[in-house]
Amino acid sequence: KNQVEQSPQSLIILEGKNCTLQCNYTVSPFSNLRWYKQDTGRGPVSLTIMTFSENTKSNRRYTATLDADTKQSSLHITASQLSDSASYICVVSEGFQKLVFGTGTRLLVSP
Amino acid sequence: SAVISQKPSRDICQRGTSLTIQCQVDSQVTMMFWYRQQPGQSLTLIATANQGSEATYESGFVIDKFPISRPNLTFSTLTVSNMSPEDSSIYLCSVPQGVDYGYTFGSGTRLTVV
Repeated sequence: KNQVEQSPQSLIILEGKNCTLQCNYTVSPFSNLRWYKQDTGRGPVSLTIMTFSENTKSNRRYTATLDADTKQSSLHITASQLSDSASYICVVSEGFQKLVFGTGTRLLVSP
Repeated sequence: SAVISQKPSRDICQRGTSLTIQCQVDSQVTMMFWYRQQPGQSLTLIATANQGSEATYESGFVIDKFPISRPNLTFSTLTVSNMSPEDSSIYLCSVPQGVDYGYTFGSGTRLTVV
């Protein structure tokens, strides 16, 4: 069964600290992997997309990694800000269109 | 990327009634997707709405419960019919933006059924 598992389920960090969120998947055939940020009461917003051949991709303070062999991805947030408080969702594309969503990691950045 | 206007943003409804959610996209798109996000859960695809044809529903979702309209390439509605408390969720629409840009989501409709 195609699944996307994320850890931790929730995380509290102090403002200015770094954190890393994990995503393990068993989706096949794999097309790409995306990380989304979902603020409370809002729809998900794309942070980055990783294809099979990409290992690392950065977007401002967000750095995503992908290991296609172990089927793992991580999202590293540097110098966290209060506005980073949100749910972060890992989404893997099965083939061209079907999306498999993780349950998300709820991040709280505390002042 | 496309901008989606989704309405209403939230509603509290009586059981047995129906609610229609609207999504307006600022550009023409072939496919629109409707998702449900139950509390603490990931997004689950309800159906794919194509202009000019009936929506394609995922397993566990039926047209009588979630009728969808797609009158043109920029607009779609999802109706949650004969609601029960179990329908309390966030409902989102989404459109594809090409491989490089992923999917754009509406801001969601938070539905509470009492």
